[in-house]
Amino acid sequence: IAGITQAPTSQILAAGRRMTLRCTQDMRHNAMYWYRQDLGLGLRLIHYSNTAGTTGKGEVPDGYSVSRANTDDFPLTLASAVPSQTSVYFCASSDSNQGATGELFFGEGSRLTVL
Amino acid sequence: GQNIDQPTEMTATEGAIVQINCTYQTSGFNGLFWYQQHAGEAPTFLSYNVLDGLEEKGRFSSFLSRSKGYSYLLLKELQMKDSASYLCAGVDSNYQLIWGAGTKLIIKP
Repeated sequence: IAGITQAPTSQILAAGRRMTLRCTQDMRHNAMYWYRQDLGLGLRLIHYSNTAGTTGKGEVPDGYSVSRANTDDFPLTLASAVPSQTSVYFCASSDSNQGATGELFFGEGSRLTVL
Repeated sequence: GQNIDQPTEMTATEGAIVQINCTYQTSGFNGLFWYQQHAGEAPTFLSYNVLDGLEEKGRFSSFLSRSKGYSYLLLKELQMKDSASYLCAGVDSNYQLIWGAGTKLIIKP
């Protein structure tokens, strides 16, 4: 069972470039999330999707966009990358709305460096 | 504002017991999660508490006191593989997760 797959696992990117982080899950979970994790800070929610066809903004959505065309895929796009977007990005899913008793399942993370 | 506080780092000895504390301030409360995260890896679920009291799962136990806004994770019979960061996350009234910065646990032989 693959669970959640993220790609790429690591990327170095020039500032101003466009970048899409891919996330695919095979658990048929309805809810999916994108977080960024920075040293000394808790996980911060960027965008979420409670079900296919809907998305919502999290705590730090600026500079990021998402789409949810189907249940399995939830890509995160940086339209014009800036150095402050250097971070580790985690995609996650759950079979209920965030915060309910459903646990989050995380992908292995995508380490992004913007120069 | 909403806040989760937990110690930045703790050190313990292999075979011993360690308690990692977490205090929370959330607008409303719908439970508290603990996750384990090994360096360079994804967080994995450990526990979820919504009622007061202690829940035990093998070597790991999690405690919640809603009146005190307090939780702890208790790890017994520590093993070297328990070296990891432990993340506390509270669930607010909108069912949003509020994450702490994590406690890095170092296990020494």
